[in-house]
Amino acid sequence: DGGITQSPKYLFRKEGQNVTLSCEQNLNHDAMYWYRQDPGQGLRLIYYSQIVNDFQKGDIAEGYSVSREKKESFPLTVTSAQKNPTAFYLCASSIGTSPYNEQFFGPGTRLTVL
Amino acid sequence: AQKVTQAQTEISVVEKEDVTLDCVYETRDTTYYLFWYKQPPSGELVFLIRRNSFDEQNEISGRYSWNFQKSTSSFNFTITASQVVDSAVYFCALSEVSIQGAQKLVFGQGTRLTINP
Repeated sequence: DGGITQSPKYLFRKEGQNVTLSCEQNLNHDAMYWYRQDPGQGLRLIYYSQIVNDFQKGDIAEGYSVSREKKESFPLTVTSAQKNPTAFYLCASSIGTSPYNEQFFGPGTRLTVL
Repeated sequence: AQKVTQAQTEISVVEKEDVTLDCVYETRDTTYYLFWYKQPPSGELVFLIRRNSFDEQNEISGRYSWNFQKSTSSFNFTITASQVVDSAVYFCALSEVSIQGAQKLVFGQGTRLTINP
């Protein structure tokens, strides 16, 4: 079955630690995205990538970093510089970058900083 | 700047009632796309519908229907004869193109819909 997988589902981190969230897709999609969701709020874009080895900052990129070394993988690192990292993180992909394309979402990773 | 407003934070109805979720958007673009997504308790967003700015025809899919009105910048979503399985958070989103030419979705804050048996 084609889709997006995110791991782990739940993640706990101590303050001051970096942590990497995994996102893999087998849909052969060119574009991939990372969003952050806080309680009672919509999704906010952290980073996005249109093609391999290229990515751009979204609206809330501070304290985060990404890489896109393979088409199917787009890991997100939450660094210690992120002031309030506790949130639900969603990865998405789309076949292309046209505004027409719908995005497909993974099941999410819930990060809690202890 | 593009903006999407879902003024209803939470809605609770009894099963079989009809319910409408409101979505109002702001954009300066003449060509744009609007989306609705459903987020069940599992957390994964599920695509429901896409509408482009030149197509104002209402759409019906089973118990779901969508009313797009450019004159009021609204794209409302109605569930007829609601069921418990419809309980979820529903997001309206507007698609814009970034300066790098990529799609960016601007989401509303979501409406949490609870259908009580």
